[in-house]
Amino acid sequence: QQQVKQSPQSLIVQKGGISIINCAYENTAFDYFPWYQQFPGKGPALLIAIRPDVSEKKEGRFTISFNKSAKQFSLHIMDSQPGDSATYFCAASYSGNTPLVFGKGTRLSVIA
Amino acid sequence: DAGITQSPRHKVTETGTPVTLRCHQTENHRYMYWYRQDPGHGLRLIHYSYGVKDTDKGEVSDGYSVSRSKTEDFLLTLESATSSQTSVYFCAISDRDRITYEQYFGPGTRLTVT
Repeated sequence: QQQVKQSPQSLIVQKGGISIINCAYENTAFDYFPWYQQFPGKGPALLIAIRPDVSEKKEGRFTISFNKSAKQFSLHIMDSQPGDSATYFCAASYSGNTPLVFGKGTRLSVIA
Repeated sequence: DAGITQSPRHKVTETGTPVTLRCHQTENHRYMYWYRQDPGHGLRLIHYSYGVKDTDKGEVSDGYSVSRSKTEDFLLTLESATSSQTSVYFCAISDRDRITYEQYFGPGTRLTVT
């Protein structure tokens, strides 16, 4: 049973456009929702994270939108750049010893 | 990579042989994790450790064992490697006693089983 469902699997966006990646979760106990960015040949790195007490968090060009009632959260990349081309993973976790549960990833390509 | 090293970085081995991958951290974090990454499957948890000698299974633990005798080292052993274990393996660490649940990932080990 996949606890975090991520879409789309791949995404092509024009330079300067908005990239949107969506995730849905099932476990209402989740209270931490990070997004990781991974470049080829590297390990994933934390990009931005949100907790369910807020509906939106923005860091530079990256924004997480969170909808608790719908059990969904999304990553928006504004003014997408070729350097943003990477694989993005959403994840979820909750208090205690539970590890992160990851979505299957979205490969983003930003073309000029 | 937040003070995490993995060794070896690349390995080719034959079916049926045992293989041990090592994760070493210099951050003194309590929690350590082993994931495998495969196309179309994302990151799947194999085993994790929440302290020295304290480990638990993850989603895809069959065929793998782990050991943690020191805070800084977490070993992943493939008892008898199979072609289905060809993958990229990532170690991660976290210090969940703090407010953040952030996990830091190592650079990965690419394992090919022929």
